[in-house]
Amino acid sequence: DTGVSQDPRHKITKRGQNVTFRCDPISEHNRLYWYRQTLGQGPEFLTYFQNEAQLEKSRLLSDRFSAERPKGSFSTLEIQRTEQGDSAMYLCASSLMPASPLHFGNGTRLTVT
Amino acid sequence: DAKTTQPNSMESNEEEPVHLPCNHSTISGTDYIHWYRQLPSQGPEYVIHGLTSNVNNRMASLAIAEDRKSSTLILHRATLRDAAVYYCIDFSSNTGKLIFGQGTTLQVKP
Repeated sequence: DTGVSQDPRHKITKRGQNVTFRCDPISEHNRLYWYRQTLGQGPEFLTYFQNEAQLEKSRLLSDRFSAERPKGSFSTLEIQRTEQGDSAMYLCASSLMPASPLHFGNGTRLTVT
Repeated sequence: DAKTTQPNSMESNEEEPVHLPCNHSTISGTDYIHWYRQLPSQGPEYVIHGLTSNVNNRMASLAIAEDRKSSTLILHRATLRDAAVYYCIDFSSNTGKLIFGQGTTLQVKP
């Protein structure tokens, strides 16, 4: 168990640029989740996958956000045309099955200037 | 939206027990009660969970009220490393999705 790995740890970008984050879940974990967290708030659910299928996407998620999980392994989260309001910590988590506890990575901190 | 309610902050002295309360006013019969904590600059960490009975593990104990409308996370001897934000969550095993609230920020004084 090497834990959930996220890359990069920090990303600074200019407004209007596209960014992509990567998450490597714990091996054999079928479920993969993306969350966003701003300062002083609890993590906010964005989307989740069962293997390669995206099961739910938060209604709060703009069309500029897209996530993929090809082959049910690692996942990517892309934000197009970034805005300053996208500045946040983006957290990835995985679980073995729906009823299992989630294991979180340490996140990617995005700063949009 | 988060369904649980917790105090915004609590304080404890090192090596003393800490009882963190949570209200689960809208919990359904099939929801598990999960607790996570988040240390500064880290992702949330699973602590403990239960359905109806009290639970113990190496990190903490979980006491669940008979009507399941409240729960208490018990840290038996708080250490400085226990200073974190603690979240209680009604966890649906159907969706497997965690909905976080604001949590309780625990300060531990030496």
